[in-house]
Amino acid sequence: DTAVSQTPKYLVTQMGNDKSIKCEQNLGHDTMYWYKQDSKKFLKIMFSYNNKELIINETVPNRFSPKSPDKAHLNLHINSLELGDSAVYFCASSHDRDNEQFFGPGTRLTVL
Amino acid sequence: GESVGLHLPTLSVQEGDNSIINCAYSNSASDYFIWYKQESGKGPQFIIDIRSNMDKRQGQRVTVLLNKTVKHLSLQIAATQPGDSAVYFCAGLGGSYIPTFGRGTSLIVHP
Repeated sequence: DTAVSQTPKYLVTQMGNDKSIKCEQNLGHDTMYWYKQDSKKFLKIMFSYNNKELIINETVPNRFSPKSPDKAHLNLHINSLELGDSAVYFCASSHDRDNEQFFGPGTRLTVL
Repeated sequence: GESVGLHLPTLSVQEGDNSIINCAYSNSASDYFIWYKQESGKGPQFIIDIRSNMDKRQGQRVTVLLNKTVKHLSLQIAATQPGDSAVYFCAGLGGSYIPTFGRGTSLIVHP
């Protein structure tokens, strides 16, 4: 059974478009995260939610908006996509804020 | 295009050798450290963790050492296998609960 799942796995879109990436975890965890991994494999946290409440927002442009409808889901909506948004986006979850994280398979976003 | 691994520190070892991957951290407030393994095309996967009240922790074929004095963390992999080839990340967590990942090391295991 998939623990942390993301859809879609690949997303190719034009500059200026709006897109969403969905994430779901079936581990019963309280905390979920979004990360961006660039072409040099650098992994940077973007957001974190704990029990549906935003607890980390790391200087991400406000074109990025996370939404957590419930503890098991954390979606990422991106407005007015730019070339620099091209990256692999990972969702993750953890039991609590100071536990190891379980990562999804990633969504490769390509902005043309 | 993506230059996978070319900008990462790389460690090349022969199958059967022991591997040591190092990580330095700067935040003295970090009190929880995790090593992750990321295979090509996949998300990072938890390997082992250690809290700041410990110096050493062992798992199956892996050992993590923590030296708080010099803010250094290492991951030792015994009898390295081709399946261990991946990018390895250390991550630190402190009182702010903001996870900070290191740049990653690409481990290449030659048969």
